[in-house]
Amino acid sequence: DIQMTQSPSSLSASVGDRVTITCRASQGISNYLAWYQQRPGKVPKLLIYAASTLQSGVPSRFSGSGSGTDFTLTISSLQPEDVATYYCQKYNTVLRTFGQGTKVEIK
Amino acid sequence: EVQLVESGGGLVQPGGSLRLSCAASGFTFSSHWMSWVRQAPGKGLEWVANIKGDGSEKYYVDSVKGRFTISRDNAENSLYLQMNSLRAEDTAVYYCARDWGTSNPIDYWGQGTLVTVSS
Repeated sequence: DIQMTQSPSSLSASVGDRVTITCRASQGISNYLAWYQQRPGKVPKLLIYAASTLQSGVPSRFSGSGSGTDFTLTISSLQPEDVATYYCQKYNTVLRTFGQGTKVEIK
Repeated sequence: EVQLVESGGGLVQPGGSLRLSCAASGFTFSSHWMSWVRQAPGKGLEWVANIKGDGSEKYYVDSVKGRFTISRDNAENSLYLQMNSLRAEDTAVYYCARDWGTSNPIDYWGQGTLVTVSS
């Protein structure tokens, strides 16, 4: 089974900072990679799919890149409402696997 | 508007059984794969199982194979998860989610139902 590894597991940054989260697949998954945001006490929300395509309604400060085994989620200017845990997920096969999550906090 | 409403969670003893249900609306249910995803208290997301639109294909995470069964009733726009031989480590919020197979990722989630396995 393909494993998804995120780093870091948590980070603290100031409002306005650029934040980058990485996700690594143990085998190549082309661009079949999605990112989800889960705010505290809330349901996960799809942010990005196909590694870099923004879901409708998601602010443009979010962006994704990568292909194969290495992927990144970038928040260009961190906002208070971005406090959440972010998960990557592969979907190159019907067996879904999530990364372990990255908790983002405001410094 | 896509809506997914789970029910059936609760407290169950180790070794017991529980059946979760998910009522879907706002989309053509029979055209979509559907998934169950769980989240243990304070932990990350774990995909549990999914099922093709016509019910012909079903897949499970290794930790639940042989204990959990996913099914659906397209006439009732409903998804189910039969959970047997429950263990303490199955304690989690269980989310019903709309899936797309290999073409797109999970895009809509229900609010979740809590399953607690404890004596």
